[in-house]
Amino acid sequence: AQSVAQPEDQVNVAEGNPLTVKCTYSVSGNPYLFWYVQYPNRGLQFLLKYITGDNLVKGSYGFEAEFNKSQTSFHLKKPSALVSDSALYFCAVKYGGSQGNLIFGKGTKLSVKP
Amino acid sequence: NAGVTQTPKFRVLKTGQSMTLLCAQDMNHEYMYWYRQDPGMGLRLIHYSVGEGTTAKGEVPDGYNVSRLKKQNFLLGLESAAPSQTSVYFCASKELNQETQYFGPGTRLLVL
Repeated sequence: AQSVAQPEDQVNVAEGNPLTVKCTYSVSGNPYLFWYVQYPNRGLQFLLKYITGDNLVKGSYGFEAEFNKSQTSFHLKKPSALVSDSALYFCAVKYGGSQGNLIFGKGTKLSVKP
Repeated sequence: NAGVTQTPKFRVLKTGQSMTLLCAQDMNHEYMYWYRQDPGMGLRLIHYSVGEGTTAKGEVPDGYNVSRLKKQNFLLGLESAAPSQTSVYFCASKELNQETQYFGPGTRLLVL
């Protein structure tokens, strides 16, 4: 069965430090992986995706994610965190063929302190 | 270009009442989705549509019905609301051959 796990409910980092938000997945076949961000009282916004190709994917707002097939992971990273990065981050994996249905992780709250 | 919009933004219902949530998109997307978001559970797919006039069940369809009479609109109905349906509801849409879903701002529903 397809699944996505975000093992940390919350990640705390200091502004200027690097950040990592973890995601592992289980899916049959080649995975299509996504990161979305949700700011308070807003809908989800697309950050980046991995479909195929280079394992390091660059996305919006300076975020990047590394696809690791052997570890079935797709961790979100940023070299230098900003206070404005504080939000809820969701990892998702596609299933269901061409229909593009997503399974979302439970979300990780990122808190960046000045 | 408003993207994906949802109506209403917030609603309070009493148990047993009915209501319809409206999702509209102006991007001419084929696919549309309804999710619910509950604390600690991420987003779960309720129903989806792969085109005008078609709908299909997602992960948690019980207690909900949907209709896609026009390509740009996707309606989510609750025939007899229950407290367990208290949640934040998100609509999303995507193009036929693209992977990225675009989300609306959400509807917060409280069922008393």
